[in-house]
Amino acid sequence: VLTQSPGTLSLSPGERASVSCRASQTIDNNYLAWYQQSPGQAPRLLIRNAFNRATGIPDRFSGSGSGTDFTLTISRLEPEDFATYYCQQYSSSPRTFGQGTKVEIK
Amino acid sequence: QVQLVESGGGLVKPGGSLRLSCAASGFTFTNHYMSWIRQSPGERPEWLCYISAYSNYIDYADSVKGRFSISRDNARTSIFLQMDNLRVDDTAVYYCVRGGSNWESWGPGTLVTVSS
Repeated sequence: VLTQSPGTLSLSPGERASVSCRASQTIDNNYLAWYQQSPGQAPRLLIRNAFNRATGIPDRFSGSGSGTDFTLTISRLEPEDFATYYCQQYSSSPRTFGQGTKVEIK
Repeated sequence: QVQLVESGGGLVKPGGSLRLSCAASGFTFTNHYMSWIRQSPGERPEWLCYISAYSNYIDYADSVKGRFSISRDNARTSIFLQMDNLRVDDTAVYYCVRGGSNWESWGPGTLVTVSS
């Protein structure tokens, strides 16, 4: 089970955002990914293997952590970053997602 | 570029069946696992199943095991999802995605509504 916190983050453009993802069991090999989803769109892969940015993802997005505790950080929020973020583990089957964190404009 | 296009969604009654298709292009199809993921309104995405490049390995989420069946046709660079005994809680947008672990390429999704 993946548990994200907080459920909602209210911030202003330019501020720093941090989203936590805690696993009920150790995620082997750091097989954890982060996705961004805007309304009406498919999720977009941001980070794989806990800290490797996917193709074309800006460097303001970074991932960290290991074991059971992981963090997605957005260094300076741009207007297009206000969306919902999910973590996802792929160290075991079934692949599972966290419940999501909504980053909204304050 | 990678393109994944789902089709076959629609309205179906509880207990009914539906077959989804996904046409893939822009990459070497036989180099990749493929998966289906669904998302109900306001909910997190839910991984349903994956299939290996030559169909040797297939796995399902418990929620669909025994009711859904994934397959692929490498000659047609397509994958399929046969959904039987559909339930109201199967209502969701169904996405075709490339890969079996984490997913960089997604289709736009096809809506499946199960309602009487």
